[in-house]
Amino acid sequence: KQEVTQIPAALSVPEGENLVLNCSFTDSAIYNLQWFRQDPGKGLTSLLLIQSSQREQTSGRLNASLDKSSGRSTLYIAASQPGDSATYLCASSYTSGTYKYIFGTGTRLKVLA
Amino acid sequence: DAMVIQNPRYQVTQFGKPVTLSCSQTLNHNVMYWYQQKSSQAPKLLFHYYDKDFNNEADTPDNFQSRRPNTSFCFLDIRSPGLGDAAMYLCATSRSGGTLRAQYFGPGTRLTVL
Repeated sequence: KQEVTQIPAALSVPEGENLVLNCSFTDSAIYNLQWFRQDPGKGLTSLLLIQSSQREQTSGRLNASLDKSSGRSTLYIAASQPGDSATYLCASSYTSGTYKYIFGTGTRLKVLA
Repeated sequence: DAMVIQNPRYQVTQFGKPVTLSCSQTLNHNVMYWYQQKSSQAPKLLFHYYDKDFNNEADTPDNFQSRRPNTSFCFLDIRSPGLGDAAMYLCATSRSGGTLRAQYFGPGTRLTVL
């Protein structure tokens, strides 16, 4: 069974700290992996997408990496700010014939001013 | 800006009273999805359309149905809402062509069942 796990479930850090969020998946035959941000009561905002052929993607202070052999993806946030407080979800899709995502349960991040 | 729009943002219904949630998109994506998300849980896929082809998840209750009259619009019908159906309902789209296949989400509809 394909599963996606995110640990820790919650994380509090002081403002300015660099931090890493983890995403683990059981099936290495992924097609792509997408990181999302979700603010309370809102929809999902796409942050970064990594194709299976890529090792990392960067956008501003965010960097996402993918290691298929170990079944892991990480989201690195540099110089965290209180505005980064949200839940971060990763989701992966598998094979070229399906368009469905398997979601992790998310990491709830709080950046303290 | 191209986007995914969901209406209404908040919906209150009574136990057993049918309700319809709406999703529209200006991205011209051919795949549309409906997810259910309960508090502190991951989004759960209910069904998706690949063009006009409807794909139901095996564990989606019969109480949930969907319609896609054209590329831009998709509806979620809940025939007889129960208290357990109170949740955030998320619509998403993606494009099957190309290599990325990223999913783009709307703001969600928060459903309350009284």
